Amino acid sequence: AQSVAQPEDQVKVAEGNPLTVKCTYSVSGNPYLFWYVQYPNRGLQFLLKYITGDNLVKGSYGFEAEFNKSQTSFHLKKPSALVSDSALYFCAVRDQEKGSYIPTFGRGTSLIVHP
Amino acid sequence: SAVISQKPSRDICQRGTSLTIQCQVDSQVTMMFWYRQQPGQSLTLIATANQGSEATYESGFVIDKFPISRPNLTFSTLTVSNMSPEDSSIYLCSVGRNTEAFFGQGTRLTVV
Repeated sequence: AQSVAQPEDQVKVAEGNPLTVKCTYSVSGNPYLFWYVQYPNRGLQFLLKYITGDNLVKGSYGFEAEFNKSQTSFHLKKPSALVSDSALYFCAVRDQEKGSYIPTFGRGTSLIVHP
Repeated sequence: SAVISQKPSRDICQRGTSLTIQCQVDSQVTMMFWYRQQPGQSLTLIATANQGSEATYESGFVIDKFPISRPNLTFSTLTVSNMSPEDSSIYLCSVGRNTEAFFGQGTRLTVV
């Protein structure tokens, strides 16, 4: 079975400060890992993914995430937060060996960036 | 990538009625997925829509409540039947391509 944990319901940061949104996962095989963002009244937008290779993955809007196999984590980061980054962020995992397109999503973390 | 058009974007419905949500993809895909996102919660997979066969439902979801059509490789509908306030959610259509999942903008349903 595959699962994802996002331990924080909400993260608050000041604009210009670095942000981190945490994610840990569990899969029986090797993981595909994803981050999605959901703005109010919108669907999910893809931010970035880890498939293989470099543990540091860069994605849209200046976001990046680091895959840490020993800690089974895939935390989302941005060096300097913007107010417009305020949204709901979902981490997702899929087992590479399963061959299915169906990811398992975390419960989401609400990011609030204040001026 | 994949461009997914979903409609309606939102609706307010009376309890006991049904609503059909449409999902159109810009290219052919084998499988389409329907998710529910209840207020303050994550995404829950309702079913996988396969072209030419019955949809595959996840535990806790049944065809009588959520009938799905998949008439061709670019289109699917999800009906929420005999609605109650507990069905108030965002419903999302999704497709998979090149290891990624792509989503429509969602349908925000409120049942009163």
